[in-house]
Amino acid sequence: KAGVTQTPRYLIKTRGQQVTLSCSPISGHRSVSWYQQTPGQGLQFLFEYFSETQRNKGNFPGRFSGRQFSNSRSEMNVSTLELGDSALYLCASSPDPLGSGNTIYFGEGSWLTVV
Amino acid sequence: DQQVKQNSPSLSVQEGRISILNCDYTNSMFDYFLWYKKYPAEGPTFLISISSIKDKNEDGRFTVFLNKSAKHLSLHIVPSQPGDSAVYFCAASGRRFQKLVFGTGTRLLVSP
Repeated sequence: KAGVTQTPRYLIKTRGQQVTLSCSPISGHRSVSWYQQTPGQGLQFLFEYFSETQRNKGNFPGRFSGRQFSNSRSEMNVSTLELGDSALYLCASSPDPLGSGNTIYFGEGSWLTVV
Repeated sequence: DQQVKQNSPSLSVQEGRISILNCDYTNSMFDYFLWYKKYPAEGPTFLISISSIKDKNEDGRFTVFLNKSAKHLSLHIVPSQPGDSAVYFCAASGRRFQKLVFGTGTRLLVSP
């Protein structure tokens, strides 16, 4: 069974640009959640999508957005990039929504560098 | 407001000894807890979880203990192996708190 797949793995963008990251969940998983990891901050929850609906959102500005498609694949978008957006962006999937007592499985992440 | 705290940023242990990683939480709505291990340049991998209806869960060399009254959980690794060297994150979620909140991680170094 294929794991969670994230693309691209590495990318460099310039301040002010926008970026779209993609996540393909494990087959059969309908929940996709996104996290940002920066040094010293751990993993911070961005948002979760389940059955194409955003269920919950973390404390991030509106520049961070996402969506989920009918095949459960998800994308997240960051507009007007700032230097502080440089981070590892992780996607995770699970069969059921967060809070259901289920395990979530992570992809390898997308490393974003903003210059 | 850090709802899940891992107060030890690093821990060094000798091979064969016990590693104990600690995690504290503040939100009483959390009822499900997980531990993840992360190697550099890789995504976190799931280790073990525990529901709030239990106080202990064991899987091979890994045991997680939950003390609800103290809002504290710990991960015991026995015996520790050099391949266990990684960053360990605890995370919390709940039926009434439908996000997943992570601690800042503890870097474990197991030396031969």
